[in-house]
Amino acid sequence: EIVMTQSPATLSASPGERATLSCRASQSININLAWYQQRPGQAPRLLVYHASSRATGIPARFSGSGSGTEFTLTISSLQSEDFAVYYCQHYNARPPYSFGQGTNLEMK
Amino acid sequence: QITLKESGPTVVKPTQTLTLTCTFSGFSLSTSGVGVSWIRQPPGKALEWLALIYWGDDKRYSPSLTNRLTITNDTAKNQVVLTLTNVDPMDTGTYYCAHTLWGPCDYWGQGALVTDSS
Repeated sequence: EIVMTQSPATLSASPGERATLSCRASQSININLAWYQQRPGQAPRLLVYHASSRATGIPARFSGSGSGTEFTLTISSLQSEDFAVYYCQHYNARPPYSFGQGTNLEMK
Repeated sequence: QITLKESGPTVVKPTQTLTLTCTFSGFSLSTSGVGVSWIRQPPGKALEWLALIYWGDDKRYSPSLTNRLTITNDTAKNQVVLTLTNVDPMDTGTYYCAHTLWGPCDYWGQGALVTDSS
C-alpha cells in the first residue's frame, strides 16, 4: 500500500505571499497524483491532476510539479479564498488510491 | 453538466449495514475511462478513499475494508450504490461520491453525513 505524506501539516501565510505545499509518496507513482482544495463545510475540489495539469477553471496561480515520489503544489500569490485545507491523492496502479493527511493553509 | 448526489440514512446502529446511493447525471458509466469513487471523511479528519467502479464493471476496493464493502452500478437508474456491513462508531463521517476520469476525482457530490447511533 502506498502511503502519502504531506508537509507541513499547517502553513501560515499572508495574502499576496507564495505558498509551497509538499507531498511525498512511499514508492514511485510516476505522475499519477492529484491535488484538491477543501474549504470548510464544502466538498473537495480538484485543482491539479497528472501532477501538473490544472483542472478546468482553476486559476493560473495554482501550479503542480514533481514525479516519482516527490510533488509540490505552489500558489504563487495567495488570495483570501485560498486559505483552506489541501490534499494530495495518488491513483497509480493498485488501490487504495490514498490521500495524504492534508495541509491546513491558514492566514497569518 | 455533471452532477452527483449522495443519499442514505443519517443515523445507523452498530452492526447494521449502511447503504448509500450516488445518483448522477451528465455522464455515462459505459464510457471508457469513467468511474465513480466513494470517499469518506470522519469529522475533523482527512479524506479516506473507499472504493471505485469503472466502466466495464471494474471494481476496486480499499484493502482495509474490502471484506465489508460492496460497490454496484445500476445503469438504468444512473446510480452507484455502496454498502458497508457491520457498521461501528469509526464509520461515522461524511461520505462523498465523485466522478472519476482515468483516476482523479473531478466532480464531487455535496456529501452525506452518517452518524453512528451509539
